[in-house]
Amino acid sequence: AQSVTQLDSQVPVFEEAPVELRCNYSSSVSVYLFWYVQYPNQGLQLLLKYLSGSTLVKGINGFEAEFNKSQTSFHLRKPSVHISDTAEYFCAVSSGGSNYKLTFGKGTLLTVNP
Amino acid sequence: GAGVSQTPSNKVTEKGKYVELRCDPISGHTALYWYRQSLGQGPEFLIYFQGTGAADDSGLPNDRFFAVRPEGSVSTLKIQRTERGDSAMYLCASSVSLAGGLNEQFFGPGTRLTVL
Repeated sequence: AQSVTQLDSQVPVFEEAPVELRCNYSSSVSVYLFWYVQYPNQGLQLLLKYLSGSTLVKGINGFEAEFNKSQTSFHLRKPSVHISDTAEYFCAVSSGGSNYKLTFGKGTLLTVNP
Repeated sequence: GAGVSQTPSNKVTEKGKYVELRCDPISGHTALYWYRQSLGQGPEFLIYFQGTGAADDSGLPNDRFFAVRPEGSVSTLKIQRTERGDSAMYLCASSVSLAGGLNEQFFGPGTRLTVL
């Protein structure tokens, strides 16, 4: 079985500050990892994904994440956030023969203050 | 092109009633997924369709929940004898299906179901 832990339920930051949203996963097989963003009253949008290859993955809106197999982590970072980045962020994992089945963390609410 | 659409956007019903939630996937996407998101939680997998057939329905919580996709496009999630615990956001996603590949799932805006 696989699981995802998002260590922070809420992260408040000031505009233009850097941010890191933490994600740890557990799985007995090799994994695919994802970060999704959910703006109010909208569906989930894919920010970035790790399938294989380079452990540093760049996504949309200036976000990036680093896959660390030894620490089973996939933390999301942005060097300078904007007010418009305020949203809920979900880390997700899929693996093995059921790679269509996404398992999500509980989410982290990022609030960017002026 | 149009994304995944879901109707209704909000549904309020009474305990014990029957509800249907509809999902229109992106045109040409053969794979379709339903997830349920309870308040304060991440989405949880319910069911996956490949074409018209349910390839994996292991996430359906009990036999009150059923989903169909008769023509391989639109899907309907059906909930019988609704309970207050069924209140949640129901999300639909679709993807293309490439053999041996991992396919990005595109999500709809969801249907918020409230059971009184």
